[in-house]
Amino acid sequence: GAGVSQSPSNKVTEKGKDVELRCDPISGHTALYWYRQSLGQGLEFLIYFQGNSAPDKSGLPSDRFSAERTGGSVSTLTIQRTQQEDSAVYLCASSLGVNNSPLHFGNGTRLTVT
Amino acid sequence: AQSVTQLDSQVPVFEEAPVELRCNYSSSVSVYLFWYVQYPNQGLQLLLKYLSGSTLVESINGFEAEFNKSQTSFHLRKPSVHISDTAEYFCAVTDASGGSYIPTFGRGTSLIVHP
Repeated sequence: GAGVSQSPSNKVTEKGKDVELRCDPISGHTALYWYRQSLGQGLEFLIYFQGNSAPDKSGLPSDRFSAERTGGSVSTLTIQRTQQEDSAVYLCASSLGVNNSPLHFGNGTRLTVT
Repeated sequence: AQSVTQLDSQVPVFEEAPVELRCNYSSSVSVYLFWYVQYPNQGLQLLLKYLSGSTLVESINGFEAEFNKSQTSFHLRKPSVHISDTAEYFCAVTDASGGSYIPTFGRGTSLIVHP
């Protein structure tokens, strides 16, 4: 079946602009995660959605970052007034929503802020 | 909160040599442990996992990892590596007690296999 789909695969934007990153999880997966991957920094947790529960936003680095998940499926990560330090690969993952379920990752969106 | 330490950021080895990628985690509570692999220009994919039972787990491509509770470690090993094993390897931990469903990842180890 189809895996996790992320779009765009690459995004170049000017400092100060807003960007939207999209994630389409695997059908039937109730949990959705956003991570940020920077060179040499590993995976930094951003936000977690589980079913209809309130999302865990504890990893969002600033109030310029927000995310939503509509209808328990597609998710959009929005970064407002982008800064150069926002440049990274943004990874989305989904899972069956229990803590022993592995994550299924998309190929990521490479964001470059110039 | 959990933390995951991958001591080596880069491990260069020659083809057919053995390799060990180290992973230690901080908390002694019950955990689920995972290794993910990221091949060049691809997303992360699950390599193997420890949930319960035998402390030695294996992947389909010859990797194995052993859960050591006393040392809070989950090192990844392969007796003979191939060029195609060149990739970034990430160790991840989830709290098995149900406190959090958010995996904590290590910084990754870049395995570079030379001919």
